[in-house]
Amino acid sequence: GAGVSQTPSNKVTEKGKYVELRCDPISGHTALYWYRQSLGQGPEFLIYFQGTGAADDSGLPNDRFFAVRPEGSVSTLKIQRTERGDSAVYLCASSPGTAQTYEQYFGPGTRLTVT
Amino acid sequence: DQQVKQNSPSLSVQEGRISILNCDYTNSMFDYFLWYKKYPAEGPTFLISISSIKDKNEDGRFTVFLNKSAKHLSLHIVPSQPGDSAVYFCAAGGGATNKLIFGTGTLLAVQP
Repeated sequence: GAGVSQTPSNKVTEKGKYVELRCDPISGHTALYWYRQSLGQGPEFLIYFQGTGAADDSGLPNDRFFAVRPEGSVSTLKIQRTERGDSAVYLCASSPGTAQTYEQYFGPGTRLTVT
Repeated sequence: DQQVKQNSPSLSVQEGRISILNCDYTNSMFDYFLWYKKYPAEGPTFLISISSIKDKNEDGRFTVFLNKSAKHLSLHIVPSQPGDSAVYFCAAGGGATNKLIFGTGTLLAVQP
């Protein structure tokens, strides 16, 4: 079946601009996660959705970052007033959301470059 | 504060031999641990997981060992194949949030 998809695959933007990154989870997966990976580091948690609601947004670095999942499927990560330090690969993952299911399945990521 | 640590940035192994990748953690509240494999320009791919109530889980050529008293886990790949060459991430999770905490990764190179 289809895996997690993310669009765009690459995004170059100027400092101060607004960007939106989209994630399409695996069909039927109720849990959705956003992570950010910088060069030489492991993925770093940003936010977790169970259904439509953000169950944990403790990883969002500041109020310039916001994410939504209005219908419990597709999610959009929104970054306002982008800064050069926001440059990273943004990864989305989904999981069935059932108890005792730990695995999260990742998409290919969106590489964001802020110039 | 790095809760999950992979102290070896790289490892080189001959084809057919065993690869052992190591991971240490500091938070005793973690419920489960996972290993992911990542090729360049792709997202991490789930390999194998282990619950904190077990000390070993095996899936084909991959075995994960957990030593809770030492807060240490390892991934064994045997026999190693050139296609196993990738970056391997250790991750840990637990509690209500389901978020994963990742290590910094180990680059495995399997030489033909």
